[in-house]
Amino acid sequence: DVKVTQSSRYLVKRTGEKVFLECVQDMDHENMFWYRQDPGLGLRLIYFSYDVKMKEKGDIPEGYSVSREKKERFSLILESASTNQTSMYLCASSPQRVGAKNIQYFGAGTRLSVL
Amino acid sequence: AQKVTQAQTEISVVEKEDVTLDCVYETRDTTYYLFWYKQPPSGELVFLIRRNSFDEQNEISGRYSWNFQKSTSSFNFTITASQVVDSAVYFCALSEARSNFGNEKLTFGTGTRLTIIP
Repeated sequence: DVKVTQSSRYLVKRTGEKVFLECVQDMDHENMFWYRQDPGLGLRLIYFSYDVKMKEKGDIPEGYSVSREKKERFSLILESASTNQTSMYLCASSPQRVGAKNIQYFGAGTRLSVL
Repeated sequence: AQKVTQAQTEISVVEKEDVTLDCVYETRDTTYYLFWYKQPPSGELVFLIRRNSFDEQNEISGRYSWNFQKSTSSFNFTITASQVVDSAVYFCALSEARSNFGNEKLTFGTGTRLTIIP
């Protein structure tokens, strides 16, 4: 079974803090994604990565950055957390190979509260 | 631009009733994939099904069935004889199918929260 692990289920931070959300997958997937989920808005893509040290902006990258130093790990960074970044953050991974089906596998999410 | 609309925000049904979750999509691509995911209270999205745009056959898996109609740009999901364990948020999603390497992003709908009342 594919396992995508997010380091924290719940996180409380203060405005202005630098926040790291970690995601690790154990299936040797090339693609990794970060989403945020908000009521009434569904899942929105923040950043994604197709390879180590590569990153691409998603639909809502403002206020976020990412790091992918190793294939299995994809970190989301909030440089200076703000209250409007209070949300559920979901990490996903998918394989990149001939015949791959675009199926993404998700972690359990990190619920971040910024006070 | 791609768009997925799930007009039903919340649905409640009594256990053993059938329920249909609607999904309407917009895309300019001629080939694309459609997906359904389930998000139980634990939070993790669980993949349920993927459908190619060129395959309009309906699919049944146990109590679940999916009705894909290109003419109306819809990909509806029906649960037959619902159970309490079906309570979750369900997301419909869409992706391009330009490569064969699985690189395309997913565009998600806003989700439908389904509550099964015992």
